[in-house]
Amino acid sequence: GNSVTQMEGPVTLSEEAFLTINCTYTATGYPSLFWYVQYPGEGLQLLLKATKADDKGSNKGFEATYRKETTSFHLEKGSVQVSDSAVYFCALAFNDYKLSFGAGTTVTVRA
Amino acid sequence: DVKVTQSSRYLVKRTGEKVFLECVQDMDHENMFWYRQDPGLGLRLIYFSYDVKMKEKGDIPEGYSVSREKKERFSLILESASTNQTSMYLCASSFTQGNNQPQHFGDGTRLSIL
Repeated sequence: GNSVTQMEGPVTLSEEAFLTINCTYTATGYPSLFWYVQYPGEGLQLLLKATKADDKGSNKGFEATYRKETTSFHLEKGSVQVSDSAVYFCALAFNDYKLSFGAGTTVTVRA
Repeated sequence: DVKVTQSSRYLVKRTGEKVFLECVQDMDHENMFWYRQDPGLGLRLIYFSYDVKMKEKGDIPEGYSVSREKKERFSLILESASTNQTSMYLCASSFTQGNNQPQHFGDGTRLSIL
């Protein structure tokens, strides 16, 4: 079946540090890939997405590239802020509209 | 902006009670979803609906049912609540066209079963 594996957290960083969250997937075929973010006390919101191999999604300084050869979609940000503290979820979907989520990675950024 | 509203942020119920969680969206989305979120497990799909009066089981439907009588409203029902259903419940909605459409989430209901 389809599945998503994320690096385990929690991750604690200082402001302006570089952030990477690894995400790999197992799927039959070529899904669309997503990163969702959940800020404290809120639901999830879409951060970025990529729909085919080599696509790069980007938003709010975050980037992720859809790598078919390594079945990966790692999230990166060059300089994090305290406001980036959140839980980050990698997810995949096919044409059936359903999302398969990773376990989530908690990121804490300290001033 | 899309608004997905869940009726309660926090709810405390007793074992054996019938529990209703309500979700309303205001963007005329065809698809609606119920997930539960547990630490270390991410989000797991309970049920989803792609049209009024239609429903499909997700990955963990046991102990739950759903109702979708109107397009904008999707209800999750715990028929006889048990302590292992203590969790955060998230509702989401999306358009039907293609798999590129993001899901829009409510703020969640934290349910405690005593």
